[in-house]
Amino acid sequence: LAKTTQPISMDSYEGQEVNITCSHNNIATNDYITWYQQFPSQGPRFIIQGYKTKVTNEVASLFIPADRKSSTLSLPRVSLSDTAVYYCLVGGQSNFGNEKLTFGTGTRLTIIP
Amino acid sequence: GAGVSQSPSNKVTEKGKDVELRCDPISGHTALYWYRQSLGQGLEFLIYFQGNSAPDKSGLPSDRFSAERTGGSVSTLTIQRTQQEDSAVYLCASSPNRFTDTQYFGPGTRLTVL
Repeated sequence: LAKTTQPISMDSYEGQEVNITCSHNNIATNDYITWYQQFPSQGPRFIIQGYKTKVTNEVASLFIPADRKSSTLSLPRVSLSDTAVYYCLVGGQSNFGNEKLTFGTGTRLTIIP
Repeated sequence: GAGVSQSPSNKVTEKGKDVELRCDPISGHTALYWYRQSLGQGLEFLIYFQGNSAPDKSGLPSDRFSAERTGGSVSTLTIQRTQQEDSAVYLCASSPNRFTDTQYFGPGTRLTVL
């Protein structure tokens, strides 16, 4: 079971690029990496998912090095509305056909005006 | 279209009582997940269903917890003989198929055990 760790909190100014890193040293071959955003009193919301190298969508980029033991979520030009908790999720089908899912500890991102 | 819904939104119960939490996934989604989030804490994976089948129940915290899914749709998470440490927000998510698809989360059920 992959153990994932993230920084507890980060602060950034509006308009800056923010990079949040997740460490997952025990990631398995079949595991994908997914990032979610969570606002207070709401369920998490999907941001981006990747397996290796770089993935980009309209809201973020995800960088995964060759060894896949970490991943970095990059949020370009953040705004106040990006203040939230960000979770990485590592998991996939195990060799036994089970689904093992491990959320990171979460990073509380605060955007400063 | 309708998202994932959960009921009740809030549940207050006394220690030792049984509770049932319900999840209605997005129509057509075959995969369904239950998570627990304690106050100020991260997300703890509990169980996953593919169709009506849960391949691995080892994520459930104790034998007081059980879950079922019927008709490939609605799922119920049951907690027997509730304890104060069961107090948390219980989140349900669904995805079109397996884990690698985007998971869509419901608003959660806030359970308080007195």
